[in-house]
Amino acid sequence: DSGVTQTPKHLITATGQRVTLRCSPRSGDLSVYWYQQSLDQGLQFLIQYYNGEERAKGNILERFSAQQFPDLHSELNLSSLELGDSALYFCASSVGGGRALADTQYFGPGTRLTVL
Amino acid sequence: EDQVTQSPEALRLQEGESSSLNCSYTVSGLRGLFWYRQDPGKGPEFLFTLYSAGEEKEKERLKATLTKKESFLHITAPKPEDSATYLCAVQADFGNEKLTFGTGTRLTIIP
Repeated sequence: DSGVTQTPKHLITATGQRVTLRCSPRSGDLSVYWYQQSLDQGLQFLIQYYNGEERAKGNILERFSAQQFPDLHSELNLSSLELGDSALYFCASSVGGGRALADTQYFGPGTRLTVL
Repeated sequence: EDQVTQSPEALRLQEGESSSLNCSYTVSGLRGLFWYRQDPGKGPEFLFTLYSAGEEKEKERLKATLTKKESFLHITAPKPEDSATYLCAVQADFGNEKLTFGTGTRLTIIP
């Protein structure tokens, strides 16, 4: 158990809908990262938040947005869903802060999104 | 752009048959190279972090090594429970802490 929790575990929805994925980081971690894992592309970085502020963006679609709340949990919002958005979505957390050496990112169990 | 290439894509070994997985990378200023293990439908499980060329780390039957261009994950006398996908990732550039992942090596250990 990494200490990172994600809900829900599975989500099945229809095209055009909007969903919210939730992540709680490990105790003491200030950085939260979201990654998407699809069969054909592997793990792709979407966005990072550090202590409530957006810190880095990857190839995140404009239909996707995220935020980190004062209690450090994060939510990833996916809207106008398309069939191609079906994937595993992982949250990871780390101490963060941009230290000279990379700190370890610990991953949650993921949310499997199926868009029908 | 940071790139990570893992080989082979898949590897089948008999129980007890040692081998190595390769991860070659191209980054500007490596801050860290990570190895994770991922079981089907689960989140990646952290194994090792390597920071500089020449560094080695061990855990049970696994040993990770790092050079300036690649990393190896050596597995010694594997057991069926070592079957999983092994992912390599790099973090580069101070200020951007994203991980760039390879596509993984799917390892199967046959009893």
